[in-house]
Amino acid sequence: NAGVMQNPRHLVRRRGQEARLRCSPMKGHSHVYWYRQLPEEGLKFMVYLQKENIIDESGMPKERFSAEFPKEGPSILRIQQVVRGDSAAYFCASGPGNNEKLFFGSGTQLSVL
Amino acid sequence: AQSVTQPDIHITVSEGASLELRCNYSYGATPYLFWYVQSPGQGLQLLLKYFSGDTLVQGIKGFEAEFKRSQSSFNLRKPSVHWSDAAEYFCAVGDSNYQLIWGAGTKLIIKP
Repeated sequence: NAGVMQNPRHLVRRRGQEARLRCSPMKGHSHVYWYRQLPEEGLKFMVYLQKENIIDESGMPKERFSAEFPKEGPSILRIQQVVRGDSAAYFCASGPGNNEKLFFGSGTQLSVL
Repeated sequence: AQSVTQPDIHITVSEGASLELRCNYSYGATPYLFWYVQSPGQGLQLLLKYFSGDTLVQGIKGFEAEFKRSQSSFNLRKPSVHWSDAAEYFCAVGDSNYQLIWGAGTKLIIKP
């Protein structure tokens, strides 16, 4: 049973480009969570999704950021028109249900030049 | 303001020695408390959690943590570290399993 898979591991973008980060949850998990970790800081919650639904997006910036978890395929975190301040490690976690143990991926390191 | 402080950015311990990683928090009520570990190239893994009851919590890999309400602390301990314990350790608090306030992490280095 593969763990939570995130790709790419490293992503380099120039300012103004779009970044797409993918997260495939563990088999059987229908809940996905995205976090961002800025250098020298702790993780910050961004968004919680179930299949085809956004459950909690209270941590998502209001502009340029969006997330989806379609019926088929991985969850996608999309950042439009990236800026240098978006450079961070983005972690995805999945779980089998509400308030269940979370399993984390190894993250995507986004660097904006 | 809600916050989690891990005062030590790096800690170096000899293999076989005991370990204590500190975590202090500021939160409105008694939160759920977690310790996660991230080994190089791996995802975060839950070591242990405290929701209620006995304030000394046992976790995986021989780790334990003690919740001290009066000190707002949840320090992680291990009596004898192994080289495989070298990793980064994160303390987190919150009122759900996902809406958590995270510390900035402590990197554990093991000396042979």
